[in-house]
Amino acid sequence: DARVTQTPRHKVTEMGQEVTMRCQPILGHNTVFWYRQTMMQGLELLAYFRNRAPLDDSGMPKDRFSAEMPDATLATLKIQPSEPRDSAVYFCASGLAKPWEGVPAPTEAFFGQGTRLTVV
Amino acid sequence: KQEVTQIPAALSVPEGENLVLNCSFTDSAIYNLQWFRQDPGKGLTSLLLIQSSQREQTSGRLNASLDKSSGRSTLYIAASQPGDSATYLCAVRPVYSGGYQKVTFGTGTKLQVIP
Repeated sequence: DARVTQTPRHKVTEMGQEVTMRCQPILGHNTVFWYRQTMMQGLELLAYFRNRAPLDDSGMPKDRFSAEMPDATLATLKIQPSEPRDSAVYFCASGLAKPWEGVPAPTEAFFGQGTRLTVV
Repeated sequence: KQEVTQIPAALSVPEGENLVLNCSFTDSAIYNLQWFRQDPGKGLTSLLLIQSSQREQTSGRLNASLDKSSGRSTLYIAASQPGDSATYLCAVRPVYSGGYQKVTFGTGTKLQVIP
């Protein structure tokens, strides 16, 4: 049963602490997306990778957020230092880009169950 | 800038009722539109994908329609069941114009089906 796996599922941390969220994409997928979901803003795209290379991270606050793919089986999203306004559910999604397509749309990707982050 | 609106934000219906969820978008230059469901504490599950050239898609008790010219899509759920209780999101993918196509999600309609 192929699925996107995110850890941890829940995280409570104090303001100023570093937070690292992990995602294991579906084996064979070549594109990974990071999303943030809040009640006020809905779903927002933070960053996406193709073949482990970051293609767009314009949705991410650069001063405190960073996203990486150390290898094809792991994507990480790090916040340092964390702030209360970062409290949200963070979703990872993976997909398979067709050669003629460039990048698959997030609507054609498979989502993980999310990491619920609370910064107090 | 594309804006996607879903009304109502919440809906409560008795079991067995047929219902319609609405999705409106401001820019009709779309490539496709997709409906998702999101269960509490879970990720998104794709329900139906409609290409811009299509008018509707059906899967079981679900039927999604698309009227690109008016910027609207509806998700019709027949004979609703308590298991249909979830938040339903629509997402719009724009026509490819080079680079990454940023998908815009609606804020969702939270559906509760009462037994």
